[in-house]
Amino acid sequence: AQKITQTQPGMFVQEKEAVTLDCTYDTSDQSYGLFWYKQPSSGEMIFLIYQGSYDEQNATEGRYSLNFQKARKSANLVISASQLGDSAMYFCAMREGGKLIFGTGTRLQVFP
Amino acid sequence: DAGITQSPRYKITETGRQVTLMCHQTWSHSYMFWYRQDLGHGLRLIYYSAAADITDKGEVPDGYVVSRSKTENFPLTLESATRSQTSVYFCASSEWTGYNSPLHFGNGTRLTVT
Repeated sequence: AQKITQTQPGMFVQEKEAVTLDCTYDTSDQSYGLFWYKQPSSGEMIFLIYQGSYDEQNATEGRYSLNFQKARKSANLVISASQLGDSAMYFCAMREGGKLIFGTGTRLQVFP
Repeated sequence: DAGITQSPRYKITETGRQVTLMCHQTWSHSYMFWYRQDLGHGLRLIYYSAAADITDKGEVPDGYVVSRSKTENFPLTLESATRSQTSVYFCASSEWTGYNSPLHFGNGTRLTVT
């Protein structure tokens, strides 16, 4: 069974608009961490934001925020005020048992 | 500059050859990982290591061998390369195993097996 599911293979958003990238996860652990990574066309993996399973507040890092709904097992990434440089692949990942498990990613394209 | 470096960046090899991908980190992180990235699959874990001389299989270990004699190095060897191992390989490290510890990635090695 898929541990991390990203149902949006591709998304388009206009510059300066907000966009939400979906992520659902499956685990029976009580302690886990949820991460989002960005992979631009240059190929490197860039850590964006983290949410712990016990965190009551949604994580925020600049223009990135994580909409964490524990009961629904979802951890959606919200990018506010999109910029052309946000065009990239975005991966949701979950850390459990020491390992980081990735979803298949969403390709975001920001247009002017 | 401290960080995690992979070499080579690009490698072309022939079917049946042995090839080793190198990974070196300067943070003294305990945990190190090897992933492969293929279209439609995201990143899949090949092997990981909790410390020197401790390694464990990930999701797709077949055809790969790892070793970790020193904390800072974690080479990945394809003993007899196959075309299905054409991929982008990422090495990563994390300071500890806790669920709140992010992985930091190298820039990847693009391997083509002909």
